Amino acid sequence: NAGVTQTPKFQVLKTGQSMTLQCAQDMNHEYMSWYRQDPGMGLRLIHYSVGAGITDQGEVPNGYNVSRSTTEDFPLRLLSAAPSQTSVYFCASSYSGQNLVSRTIYFGEGSWLTVV
Amino acid sequence: TQLLEQSPQFLSIQEGENLTVYCNSSSVFSSLQWYRQEPGEGPVLLVTVVTGGEVKKLKRLTFQFGDARKDSSLHITAAQPGDTGLYLCAGANAGNNRKLIWGLGTSLAVNP
Repeated sequence: NAGVTQTPKFQVLKTGQSMTLQCAQDMNHEYMSWYRQDPGMGLRLIHYSVGAGITDQGEVPNGYNVSRSTTEDFPLRLLSAAPSQTSVYFCASSYSGQNLVSRTIYFGEGSWLTVV
Repeated sequence: TQLLEQSPQFLSIQEGENLTVYCNSSSVFSSLQWYRQEPGEGPVLLVTVVTGGEVKKLKRLTFQFGDARKDSSLHITAAQPGDTGLYLCAGANAGNNRKLIWGLGTSLAVNP
């Protein structure tokens, strides 16, 4: 079972470069999201999607773009990388619905990004 | 702004000891989840509690949701080195169930 797959696992970028973090899930989940995790800040929601063609901003969306053309894929684009975007990024997915109660969220293994 | 405060932030114990970690808020949540995250991996869901006063057990782990649904605790009996990891709590807000509120986590180290 693949679950949630993220690529790349590690990436070093120069300031100003752009890149895309890939995320794919094979569980037919409607809900997908991107988090970043930083020491002392915890998990912070960047963007999320409740289905193909629908995306919305989370807590820290600036500097990131997302799209959801298919149910399976939810790529995260860094438009012009900055050192403040050095972080660990997690993609997550779950079944949708109006209530999170009892909904299991599955996380990918993370993508370690360093911007120099 | 809703916050979830976890305590302690760090905990280092010997194998076989018992421990309790806490997740507290001044806000009411419709449900609360506990996750464990091991180094280099994403969080993995352990349990979801939904009813005030609810107690759930997962082998040596006991989870409790406060009566007022503002707080939760995780108790581990006879800790094992395999319990080592970051324990995160996350609350679902009845007013906005699409976004979880995350605590900063308790980092647990169980030494052999």
